[in-house]
Amino acid sequence: AQSVAQPEDQVNVAEGNPLTVKCTYSVSGNPYLFWYVQYPNRGLQFLLKYITGDNLVKGSYGFEAEFNKSQTSFHLKKPSALVSDSALYFCAVRDGSGGYNKLIFGAGTRLAVHP
Amino acid sequence: GAGVSQSPSNKVTEKGKDVELRCDPISGHTALYWYRQSLGQGLEFLIYFQGNSAPDKSGLPSDRFSAERTGGSVSTLTIQRTQQEDSAVYLCASSSIAGGRYEQYFGPGTRLTVT
Repeated sequence: AQSVAQPEDQVNVAEGNPLTVKCTYSVSGNPYLFWYVQYPNRGLQFLLKYITGDNLVKGSYGFEAEFNKSQTSFHLKKPSALVSDSALYFCAVRDGSGGYNKLIFGAGTRLAVHP
Repeated sequence: GAGVSQSPSNKVTEKGKDVELRCDPISGHTALYWYRQSLGQGLEFLIYFQGNSAPDKSGLPSDRFSAERTGGSVSTLTIQRTQQEDSAVYLCASSSIAGGRYEQYFGPGTRLTVT
């Protein structure tokens, strides 16, 4: 079965410092991987995805993610964190079994960026 | 263009009452999903509609929950005889799988409170 793990419940970063939010996955076949962000009292917003191609994927709001097949990881990164990046971040993997097209979400990581 | 919309944004109901939650997906999206999120936690998959195929109901927590999608567009999630544990934010998402675009786009959610 497809699954993703986000090993950190919370990540604390000082504004201006680089940030990393970790995600590891377990899939059969080629992984389709996604990152979403949820701001307080809002729905989830799509940030970026990896389907194929370059291992470094660039997305919205200056975020990027690095696909690492050998480590089965898809960590979210940003070179310089902003206080406004504080939110809940979800990693997800596509589950195409049974002819369906579901996303399996991780438990989420809360990012807190301090001034 | 217009995103996914959900109504109502908030719903307070008494235990034992039935509620209906509505989702309007992005025009042209063939797939529609319902999730439940409790207290800013992770996402719990409920049900998935894809075109004219039979829906994937594997995530519905009990037979008090049902959903339908009329005309391949608008969807209604119905919870009968609501219980306090049904209190959560109910999120709807839609996607187009054409051209390998698997990412889902989320609505703002309906916050359900059962008193």
